[in-house]
Amino acid sequence: GAVVSQHPSRVICKSGTSVKIECRSLDFQATTMFWYRQFPKKSLMLMATSNEGSKATYEQGVEKDKFLINHASLTLSTLTVTSAHPEDSSFYICSARDRRDTGELFFGEGSRLTVL
Amino acid sequence: GQNIDQPTEMTATEGAIVQINCTYQTSGFNGLFWYQQHAGEAPTFLSYNVLDGLEEKGRFSSFLSRSKGYSYLLLKELQMKDSASYLCAVMDSNYQLIWGAGTKLIIKP
Repeated sequence: GAVVSQHPSRVICKSGTSVKIECRSLDFQATTMFWYRQFPKKSLMLMATSNEGSKATYEQGVEKDKFLINHASLTLSTLTVTSAHPEDSSFYICSARDRRDTGELFFGEGSRLTVL
Repeated sequence: GQNIDQPTEMTATEGAIVQINCTYQTSGFNGLFWYQQHAGEAPTFLSYNVLDGLEEKGRFSSFLSRSKGYSYLLLKELQMKDSASYLCAVMDSNYQLIWGAGTKLIIKP
């Protein structure tokens, strides 16, 4: 099946620094990628929808300037957590939809961010 | 508003059968997904239903009734490795996924 690679899988950073997480579709082209955040024992919360070549659409309550999303190509989307704080510590997951839109979403492995 | 309901936790015995229910109320419907998620890992796709009826894939089956806003995931011949959270998600008319909170399935020997 289709593969989505997310990197890094774990990152620890100091408060105030920025962290970039990459999401790549390895064997298909993804016109749309989704970024989720998951809190412990909670369901996935959609943060934003990323469309190739255009600005991301953010969900209500998600700060655009804090969570920068770039979808520069059909196989790569990045999420940058700017000026990270301990409350930003979480599990971030991306998913991608094949441009052929078969309906299925393919998930990355997730990135666990810990901000000290 | 949009809402997905599924039980918080279920317990079953190894080798048995368990059914995890999901009811939904969404603005439009473009399919229902079931995902399995082990602790600390990303979700893994299990099934996709867009038409009424039962879809079988090995030990896992998923059922959908659009008129009732209802789905279930059926797991047969339970194995210890099936202990995980099972997430129900519905794609609405805008092709956004609405997620349930997940059902934590505990398998006992």
